[in-house]
Amino acid sequence: QKEVEQDPGPLSVPEGAIVSLNCTYSNSAFQYFMWYRQYSRKGPELLMYTYSSGNKEDGRFTAQVDKSSKYISLFIRDSQPSDSATYLCAVSRQLTFGSGTQLTVLP
Amino acid sequence: GAGVSQSPRYKVAKRGQDVALRCDPISGHVSLFWYQQALGQGPEFLTYFQNEAQLDKSGLPSDRFFAERPEGSVSTLKIQRTQQEDSAVYLCASSLVGTGYTFGSGTRLTVV
Repeated sequence: QKEVEQDPGPLSVPEGAIVSLNCTYSNSAFQYFMWYRQYSRKGPELLMYTYSSGNKEDGRFTAQVDKSSKYISLFIRDSQPSDSATYLCAVSRQLTFGSGTQLTVLP
Repeated sequence: GAGVSQSPRYKVAKRGQDVALRCDPISGHVSLFWYQQALGQGPEFLTYFQNEAQLDKSGLPSDRFFAERPEGSVSTLKIQRTQQEDSAVYLCASSLVGTGYTFGSGTRLTVV
């Protein structure tokens, strides 16, 4: 079993939709949780960084961490075509990544 | 610099050739990481530096892989006797302690 599991998609939604991206992880000791966005042929770009449980909001993006169920989520409101990318969850200081979910937002 | 800079952007190596990949982190960033990303996969941890000290090299796949950061700034990832399975994007990231990591655009290595 991989330490971080993420549905690879692909996920396709219409512009303006709410997008929900999710990961599960296996090690309850993880304290750091991050979401990255990666465009084709670019490095990952940090979107959200949270420590321990709870919610964090930044503009159209909301990250949730539920440590009791070892489940992390990223919500994107009012999705835009420019949000089309691969979204990677990552846990722990050493950054153990999920395999990424490919998102396409259709105009 | 404004971001993490990696060079070269693309490298084609013949099997058995040695390669060296360079990473220029953001000035002042103490922590530096190397990752390997295969096509369609998330990045996999290779090694971690805090200043010039290599604190974790548990992700290096074999003793053909070697990384250094002699002055606590620029880092080099060296791969000796390259194999086809080494073909991947090699990403470098840097950070201040306790903050998120900034990634470079990576070096795409193709071993033929």
